[in-house]
Amino acid sequence: QQPVQSPQAVILREGEDAVINCSSSKALYSVHWYRQKHGEAPVFLMILLKGGEQKGHDKISASFNEKKQQSSLYLTASQLSYSGTYFCGTQTSGSRLTFGEGTQLTVNP
Amino acid sequence: NAGVTQTPKFRVLKTGQSMTLLCAQDMNHEYMYWYRQDPGMGLRLIHYSVGEGTTAKGEVPDGYNVSRLKKQNFLLGLESAAPSQTSVYFCASSPKFQAYEQYFGPGTRLTVT
Repeated sequence: QQPVQSPQAVILREGEDAVINCSSSKALYSVHWYRQKHGEAPVFLMILLKGGEQKGHDKISASFNEKKQQSSLYLTASQLSYSGTYFCGTQTSGSRLTFGEGTQLTVNP
Repeated sequence: NAGVTQTPKFRVLKTGQSMTLLCAQDMNHEYMYWYRQDPGMGLRLIHYSVGEGTTAKGEVPDGYNVSRLKKQNFLLGLESAAPSQTSVYFCASSPKFQAYEQYFGPGTRLTVT
């Protein structure tokens, strides 16, 4: 079952923060985050495994709430280069990766 | 390392024509995947392979066939193209099936008229 992402789109000014959420109705084994710029392939950001582990990547970090089956991606002090579409992908134990519909992030000067 | 490569990059087909998309990876990954991406619908898995000679259906397999005769290559075939197959197709590979990064190719933009 496809995870649900929110919001669908967000517009920021450079330096502002944003949070993108990803939720599932199933018990998750892992949550993946990817970013895709227009006309390019998705690029891996990070994976979170069940256990509530939080991982960071420069000023982009994420958390995984195992009880709620939700993950949140945090973008702090956004830069112009953060613009793109962010996808979460979820896996239950033994299952394939299923992607959400994406969140379009635009960072303006 | 080239990573994951796809050929062709663009293709226009007429309804009923056939074609094969080629994906190649040089990372010795066991797992390979074919996705399609349509506006507002994210990435949907068409077929995948867990190793040389094995394939499995994904979420949207109808109208497509695949083959993995060599570990480094994964072919996606359209036997009789339909306008509904107009999409961007991405190939990906990973070393394991679960909880590992998938490496994506640059994509193939296919238009069926």
